[in-house]
Amino acid sequence: GQNIDQPTEMTATEGAIVQINCTYQTSGFNGLFWYQQHAGEAPTFLSYNVLDGLEEKGRFSSFLSRSKGYSYLLLKELQMKDSASYLCAVRDLGSGGSYIPTFGRGTSLIVHP
Amino acid sequence: DTGVSQDPRHKITKRGQNVTFRCDPISEHNRLYWYRQTLGQGPEFLTYFQNEAQLEKSRLLSDRFSAERPKGSFSTLEIQRTEQGDSAMYLCASSYPGTDEQYFGPGTRLTVT
Repeated sequence: GQNIDQPTEMTATEGAIVQINCTYQTSGFNGLFWYQQHAGEAPTFLSYNVLDGLEEKGRFSSFLSRSKGYSYLLLKELQMKDSASYLCAVRDLGSGGSYIPTFGRGTSLIVHP
Repeated sequence: DTGVSQDPRHKITKRGQNVTFRCDPISEHNRLYWYRQTLGQGPEFLTYFQNEAQLEKSRLLSDRFSAERPKGSFSTLEIQRTEQGDSAMYLCASSYPGTDEQYFGPGTRLTVT
């Protein structure tokens, strides 16, 4: 099975940088995703890491260390609209032999002025 | 590209009734996923189709739940003999072949009274 752990809530100031951590334990790891979900809306894709290292995409970056079972999402130049839940999801081998994503509980980020 | 659509957006039903939800994925996507999400939790995987084949089904999914994707396009999720614990947001997502970047629909919010 999978165990995905991320902080429940974080707060940060507009314009600052915040790092959201995710640790996981899987049996057949095949990639890690980050999604953003605003309250009352569906999740939207942010990033995908399958190899170790940093992936940068504008203000958002995601890092993966497979040996440590660890990832983080880095958000720079925070804006009020970044207030949302950030979901870490691990792609793991399902019982039917297909890779399926398992989501963590999400980290609720609150950005204040 | 109209995105992933789900119908209905809201459903209120009495305990013991059957309900059916529909998902129309993005037309080029051959993979389709169903999730359930409750407040403060991440999406919980229910089942996965590749074209019309149902390749994965969560062990947590009881016999009251069934899903179909008869022609490899739209999908339906049926819950029989609903219980209050079934109250949740039911999300559908689809993805291109060879990738797990998922595009989520707006969800169907089910309330069982």
